[in-house]
Amino acid sequence: DGGITQSPKYLFRKEGQNVTLSCEQNLNHDAMYWYRQDPGQGLRLIYYSQIVNDFQKGDIAEGYSVSREKKESFPLTVTSAQKNPTAFYLCASSTGRDYNEQFFGPGTRLTVL
Amino acid sequence: DQQVKQNSPSLSVQEGRISILNCDYTNSMFDYFLWYKKYPAEGPTFLISISSIKDKNEDGRFTVFLNKSAKHLSLHIVPSQPGDSAVYFCAASWNAGGTSYGKLTFGQGTILTVHP
Repeated sequence: DGGITQSPKYLFRKEGQNVTLSCEQNLNHDAMYWYRQDPGQGLRLIYYSQIVNDFQKGDIAEGYSVSREKKESFPLTVTSAQKNPTAFYLCASSTGRDYNEQFFGPGTRLTVL
Repeated sequence: DQQVKQNSPSLSVQEGRISILNCDYTNSMFDYFLWYKKYPAEGPTFLISISSIKDKNEDGRFTVFLNKSAKHLSLHIVPSQPGDSAVYFCAASWNAGGTSYGKLTFGQGTILTVHP
């Protein structure tokens, strides 16, 4: 089955620690995205990547970093510089033909204690 | 600055009736609009979309209407079913030079509950 995998589903970290969220897709999609969702808010774009070894900042990139070394993988690191990291993080991907229609993973809920 | 707004946090309808979810936007550059559906503890799934060159797009029980002059779009679900109960997000993009690279701006979401 093709799809997007995010692991783990729940993640707990102590304040001040960096943490990396995994996102893998086997859809052969060119583009990948990271979003953050907070209660009562829509999804906000953190970073996106159209091709391997290239990525751009989204609307709320501060305190986050990404890499795109392989087409199927787009890990997100939440650094200690992110002031309010507790949130639900969603990874998505899309084809190069239609960037708008995005396929989402199940998400990772990060709680920083 | 919320460029895409869903002013109704929740909507409750009876099974078989029509559900109408609304969305307003402020950025006149947006030219492509989408609706996503999200169940608890899952990622959103694409439902239906519309380009700004159209004012209506239909897919089975789902129809999206776009009123560009009012900067308003709506999603109609007819007839509503209990399985439609979920959070619905509208999203918008600006396809500058022919491609947006997927920079979607989402609304806050509306929780739809369909009662049997």
